[in-house]
Amino acid sequence: SYELTQPPSVSVSPGQTARITCSGDALPKKSAYWYQQKSGQAPVLVIYDDSKRPSGIPERFSGSTSGTMATLTISGAQVEDEADYYCYSTDSSGNHRVFGGGTKLTVL
Amino acid sequence: QVQLEESGPGLVKPSETLSLTCSVSGGSISSWSYYWGWIRQPPGKGLEWIASINHSGSTFYSASLKSRVTLSVDTSKNQVSLKLRSVTAADTAVYYCARFFIAMAGIAPDPWGQGTLVTVSS
Repeated sequence: SYELTQPPSVSVSPGQTARITCSGDALPKKSAYWYQQKSGQAPVLVIYDDSKRPSGIPERFSGSTSGTMATLTISGAQVEDEADYYCYSTDSSGNHRVFGGGTKLTVL
Repeated sequence: QVQLEESGPGLVKPSETLSLTCSVSGGSISSWSYYWGWIRQPPGKGLEWIASINHSGSTFYSASLKSRVTLSVDTSKNQVSLKLRSVTAADTAVYYCARFFIAMAGIAPDPWGQGTLVTVSS
């Protein structure tokens, strides 16, 4: 079965740049999506189609891809960005949708 | 703005069928632009996509759950329903309903309902 791999945790100080990676064999052909989940809340889409930002998402959130890796970058991370982040994509057939295991971002 | 609300029993006995309903407001479930579906999250763990369906019945299922899952739509009530058969404690999770938009990688969930916790226990 297809898997997306994320680091379990990332930690930065306020104002620093946080980078969260997601690796998967199909990412060169299939777009990545990123979701933010704060404690006790439903996930929220922060990046779609690799690098597009939905309306209402701060400009400090950006996405990029290179080969089999997608990266979510939070430039000038703020305390309120502390959350779990999940990548999402599909396998090369397009039939199987998967989430990465999630990355806990700590900002302190 | 579309809103989704999950409803159903919070406690299900092992070997029985888990049944949940997602009520959609602020948008029509009959739109060709979207799919509708379910995602779950066991306590303290990550997200797992379960299945997605559009108003005409075109359905995608997770390979690991396909044998136990049935998804259906009721366009007259603007609702999507999930049935998961033969549940075990491993099916204990928060179940989220979501609208899936058509994206470059197929379909992707946004927005999500607030989720409902279903516990499998005797």
